Amino acid sequence: EPEVTQTPSHQVTQMGQEVILRCVPISNHLYFYWYRQILGQKVEFLVSFYNNEISEKSEIFDDQFSVERPDGSNFTLKIRSTKLEDSAMYFCASSSMQGSNQPQHFGDGTRLSIL
Amino acid sequence: GDSVTQMEGPVTLSEEAFLTINCTYTATGYPSLFWYVQYPGEGLQLLLKATKADDKGSNKGFEATYRKETTSFHLEKGSVQVSDSAVYFCALSEGRSGTALIFGKGTTLSVSS
Repeated sequence: EPEVTQTPSHQVTQMGQEVILRCVPISNHLYFYWYRQILGQKVEFLVSFYNNEISEKSEIFDDQFSVERPDGSNFTLKIRSTKLEDSAMYFCASSSMQGSNQPQHFGDGTRLSIL
Repeated sequence: GDSVTQMEGPVTLSEEAFLTINCTYTATGYPSLFWYVQYPGEGLQLLLKATKADDKGSNKGFEATYRKETTSFHLEKGSVQVSDSAVYFCALSEGRSGTALIFGKGTTLSVSS
């Protein structure tokens, strides 16, 4: 079964550094998402992306965050200047069609640790 | 805004016991409801879904019924196995506000033999 893959599985970065998290969505999917889960808290929506632009973003997704689809297969989340509170598990997801009843398929996540 | 509330865990059961994990939601429209499962060291996997009132989602022996009158989507399984040990997340997607999934906090299930 096709799956969403994320790299790296664990990223350790010094505070203030830039970090890029990478995702390869399922190949025929058109909608892409990033979520994060701070330890012990809820999984929170960050951003959705379609047709090379952001279609929705949450309050968490401020100017420090950006997303990009640099080629036909990758989808990246960049954090420009990391803060301690950015430490979390980051999940990428993709779906084949828009609409509230279309399931999103998730990757295994990248654990980001900011020192 | 929209929200999902799940029962606090952890839930600890013996093999073959009956499982219920409660989930209630608040939404302004007519959301779709989902249960996702996260096995140790893995990502979130869709377990089942229901898109309208009175729909029953089912998969791998798990069931949940979309109850609009009680705004609930409780997860049940008649006989759990050790392999069901995981974290279970209830979630909703409100079409009017886009396709973002809103998750509950997750409930950890531990099944012993």
